Amino acid sequence: NAGVMQNPRHLVRRRGQEARLRCSPMKGHSHVYWYRQLPEEGLKFMVYLQKENIIDESGMPKERFSAEFPKEGPSILRIQQVVRGDSAAYFCASSDRDYKYNEQFFGPGTRLTVL
Amino acid sequence: AQKITQTQPGMFVQEKEAVTLDCTYDTSDPSYGLFWYKQPSSGEMIFLIYQGSYDQQNATEGRYSLNFQKARKSANLVISASQLGDSAMYFCAMRERGKLSFGAGTTVTVRA
Repeated sequence: NAGVMQNPRHLVRRRGQEARLRCSPMKGHSHVYWYRQLPEEGLKFMVYLQKENIIDESGMPKERFSAEFPKEGPSILRIQQVVRGDSAAYFCASSDRDYKYNEQFFGPGTRLTVL
Repeated sequence: AQKITQTQPGMFVQEKEAVTLDCTYDTSDPSYGLFWYKQPSSGEMIFLIYQGSYDQQNATEGRYSLNFQKARKSANLVISASQLGDSAMYFCAMRERGKLSFGAGTTVTVRA
């Protein structure tokens, strides 16, 4: 059973470009979470999605950031017009239920560098 | 408001000794889950151990144990018989209403 897949693992963008980060959850998991880790900091929640629905986007910046989890295919985190402050590691996690005691399985992360 | 507090930015421990990593949390929800993750220098997040708020016993997983003191709202991680491979960043996290809230982490360096 493959784990959570994220690609690309490393992404370099120039200021003003768009970044697209992909996450394929573990097989059978329908809950996806995105987290951001700035250098030397802990992970910060961004958004929680189920298939075709955004459940909680309280951690998403109001502008330039969007996320989707379509019926078919991976979850996508999109950052438009990237700025240097967007440079971070972006982690995706998945679980099979939205239950407090359920472990979230993390992907390897995408390291975004904005030049 | 900070939900998870890890007060130790970094710790050194001698190989084969035990180390305790502190974690306190804040919630008004009587039902929650507490997790510890390890992040080595390679960057991935590795799940170590979890404790449910209603669990009567402290959780244990191999060399990892969780010292859960509910009244004090603390969930300290104990790593016994430290190994060089334990050198990493360790994060405490709490799950409520779907998302995980993480502490700032503690860097553990194991010395030979």
